[in-house]
Amino acid sequence: GDSVTQMEGPVTLSEEAFLTINCTYTATGYPSLFWYVQYPGEGLQLLLKATKADDKGSNKGFEATYRKETTSFHLEKGSVQVSDSAVYFCALSEDDDKVIFGPGTSLSVIP
Amino acid sequence: NAGVTQTPKFRILKIGQSMTLQCAQDMNHNYMYWYRQDPGMGLKLIYYSVGAGITDKGEVPNGYNVSRSTTEDFPLRLELAAPSQTSVYFCASSYLGGSVGTSFLHNEQFFGPGTRLTVL
Repeated sequence: GDSVTQMEGPVTLSEEAFLTINCTYTATGYPSLFWYVQYPGEGLQLLLKATKADDKGSNKGFEATYRKETTSFHLEKGSVQVSDSAVYFCALSEDDDKVIFGPGTSLSVIP
Repeated sequence: NAGVTQTPKFRILKIGQSMTLQCAQDMNHNYMYWYRQDPGMGLKLIYYSVGAGITDKGEVPNGYNVSRSTTEDFPLRLELAAPSQTSVYFCASSYLGGSVGTSFLHNEQFFGPGTRLTVL
């Protein structure tokens, strides 16, 4: 069945460092891909999405490109801030009824 | 709009007790979901609903029940609480649909703040 794999955390970075969180997926068709973010004590929020191959999703300085050839959707940000400390979930939706979430990657940004 | 609301925020149950976790959304979304999130883990789907009167099992439905009598509300029922049900529970909703010339929203889900449940 469909699945999502993310790099294991926790990830600790200094402020203004470059961030990459790897995400790869397995799907039988052409899924929509998402990154969600969960701040401490809160529910998940959609960060960005891409609905077809080569689409780039972007929001709040974060970007991810839908790479069909490598079945990947890596999250990147050029300069992280302390306020970006959160757990990041990669996810896919193929039949649109359900969303499959990865295990999450915890990010801590230190001043 | 309040979005997705959940009550209570915290609850402690004794083994064998029952309770209902409430979830409501005011965005006129047709789809609603219940997930559980265990420490350090991702989300596991418990039940979902594609519209009023329709519910389906997710990945981990045992020990839970749901109903969807209205578009807005999607309560989750625990009948005989067990320690394995200690978790954080999230409700989510989304809109899926469209007509000729419009597009589905590809299941962008909106989440509530969660209910932290402990069973002792």
